[in-house]
Amino acid sequence: KQEVTQIPAALSVPEGENLVLNCSFTDSAIYNLQWFRQDPGKGLTSLLLIQSSQREQTSGRLNASLDKSSGRSTLYIAASQPGDSATYLCAVPSDNYGQNFVFGPGTRLSVLP
Amino acid sequence: DGGITQSPKYLFRKEGQNVTLSCEQNLNHDAMYWYRQDPGQGLRLIYYSQIVNDFQKGDIAEGYSVSREKKESFPLTVTSAQKNPTAFYLCASSRGLGRDNEQFFGPGTRLTVL
Repeated sequence: KQEVTQIPAALSVPEGENLVLNCSFTDSAIYNLQWFRQDPGKGLTSLLLIQSSQREQTSGRLNASLDKSSGRSTLYIAASQPGDSATYLCAVPSDNYGQNFVFGPGTRLSVLP
Repeated sequence: DGGITQSPKYLFRKEGQNVTLSCEQNLNHDAMYWYRQDPGQGLRLIYYSQIVNDFQKGDIAEGYSVSREKKESFPLTVTSAQKNPTAFYLCASSRGLGRDNEQFFGPGTRLTVL
């Protein structure tokens, strides 16, 4: 059964710092991996989707990498801003059909001005 | 604008009542999902539907029911059989399965049992 963990559970950094969030999964046979952002009391916003054939995806100051063989993905945030403060979650399909998803518990990020 | 809407934003339920949460999407997506989120926990799948008139149980379906009569709509009913329904409920959709399964979420409904 697919399991997803995220480290650290919480992170506090000063504004302007570059940072890395980690996501690990137990079953490497995945179609893709998706990163989300969630603000308090809100729904999830899709940030990046990496297909299994890709090594990384970039969107603005965000860069996500995927290493299927080691069961890891990282989300790199460059030049962090207070507006980046949120909880970041990763998710992978739970089976070969990509019809169910398993979510990590999230990393709560605080960027201090 | 395309997107997913959920209503109401806040919902209060008395013990023994059934309540229905609405989820509508205009993205022309085939697949729709309901998740439950509890404080400090990840999202847990309640039900999902790949196509109209078909739906499957997720990990925590007991005490919930759904219908999928239209492609755009996937309402969730929280029945009185659900023992601990207070939670944040999120609806999502995706174009399809496999590599088309990128998920998009609605704003959520917060359900509180009084």
